[in-house]
Amino acid sequence: DGGITQSPKYLFRKEGQNVTLSCEQNLNHDAMYWYRQDPGQGLRLIYYSQIVNDFQKGDIAEGYSVSREKKESFPLTVTSAQKNPTAFYLCASRSPRDSNNEQFFGPGTRLTVL
Amino acid sequence: GEDVEQSLFLSVREGDSSVINCTYTDSSSTYLYWYKQEPGAGLQLLTYIFSNMDMKQDQRLTVLLNKKDKHLSLRIADTQTGDSAIYFCAESRRAGTALIFGKGTTLSVSS
Repeated sequence: DGGITQSPKYLFRKEGQNVTLSCEQNLNHDAMYWYRQDPGQGLRLIYYSQIVNDFQKGDIAEGYSVSREKKESFPLTVTSAQKNPTAFYLCASRSPRDSNNEQFFGPGTRLTVL
Repeated sequence: GEDVEQSLFLSVREGDSSVINCTYTDSSSTYLYWYKQEPGAGLQLLTYIFSNMDMKQDQRLTVLLNKKDKHLSLRIADTQTGDSAIYFCAESRRAGTALIFGKGTTLSVSS
């Protein structure tokens, strides 16, 4: 089945530790996105990548880093510089060949920093 | 102000119609979307409308677009308890760019 997978579903880390969230897609999509969701805040864009080896900061990139070495993978690292990392993180992807610009979402990772 | 605005909560009884409203600010938006999020899950695209359309119907869902007022609505007919979820309105301003999401409307359906 084609789709987007995120792992793990739940992640617990101690304050001050870096943590990497996985996002993989087998949809052959060029563009991938990371969003953060907090209660009552909707989705806020962290980073996005339109093509392999290229990525751009979104609205709330501070304290996060990404890489895009492969088309299928867009991992997100939450660093110790992120002041309030506890949130639900959603990864999405999109094909430029889809005329409606639809984004497909993964199931999300809930990160809790203790 | 916010780019995309939605009311935060809506409560309806099973069998009634639900109407979720959204306003956006960028008149150049090409597509407008409605996504559904069930508890602890990712977002699922429900429907979308191209900016040159006024209405789109898909089974129980009806989307109305008023470009003059930059107002988008989603009507769910015969609302069921399984429709309880958060509904996000989103706009696409240019092909290839990230979507701009509203904060989401939590729909609660009581039996």
